[in-house]
Amino acid sequence: QKEVEQDPGPLSVPEGAIVSLNCTYSNSAFQYFMWYRQYSRKGPELLMYTYSSGNKEDGRFTAQVDKSSKYISLFIRDSQPSDSATYLCAMSANTNAGKSTFGDGTTLTVKP
Amino acid sequence: NAGVTQTPKFRVLKTGQSMTLLCAQDMNHEYMYWYRQDPGMGLRLIHYSVGEGTTAKGEVPDGYNVSRLKKQNFLLGLESAAPSQTSVYFCASSYISGTGGQGADTQYFGPGTRLTVL
Repeated sequence: QKEVEQDPGPLSVPEGAIVSLNCTYSNSAFQYFMWYRQYSRKGPELLMYTYSSGNKEDGRFTAQVDKSSKYISLFIRDSQPSDSATYLCAMSANTNAGKSTFGDGTTLTVKP
Repeated sequence: NAGVTQTPKFRVLKTGQSMTLLCAQDMNHEYMYWYRQDPGMGLRLIHYSVGEGTTAKGEVPDGYNVSRLKKQNFLLGLESAAPSQTSVYFCASSYISGTGGQGADTQYFGPGTRLTVL
């Protein structure tokens, strides 16, 4: 069983929809939770990261962490066609500084 | 800043040939990584480095070697290429956004190298 499991998708939504992307994990040592966005034929780019449990908002994006359930989510409000990409969750522990564990990614398509 | 750059962008090899992929970063990051990405398999860590002169094996190191002679460069070598090494290779660098070596491992990725081994 993988340490990080991500809903595989693909996910297709109409423009303006609220999107929920999710990951579960098994390693309770994870304390930092990252979300990366990868456009087709490009390298991943960091969207945002959170520490421990709670929410973090950045524009239309909200990252949510529930450590008790070992569950993290990325919400995209008012989704746009430009949000069409693969989204990767990643996690790291303080004791494993310098190496993250990635999910396999969820491919999102936002249709105009 | 150029960020993370990778050379070459594309390459086609024949089975048994060798090649070196070059990764360079200008952000003074301590940590550098090599990943491969295959359809349906996500990012898999090949080798990584936590500082100049140090390297370590990742999840799928067989058939690859690396060197980090300078802090800004991380080289990935294929000594005898095999069709199973056909993939997209990404280099990344990171810093720990905290103090005392603790914090989020925020990685910056290069644009990738598409390698085909025939």
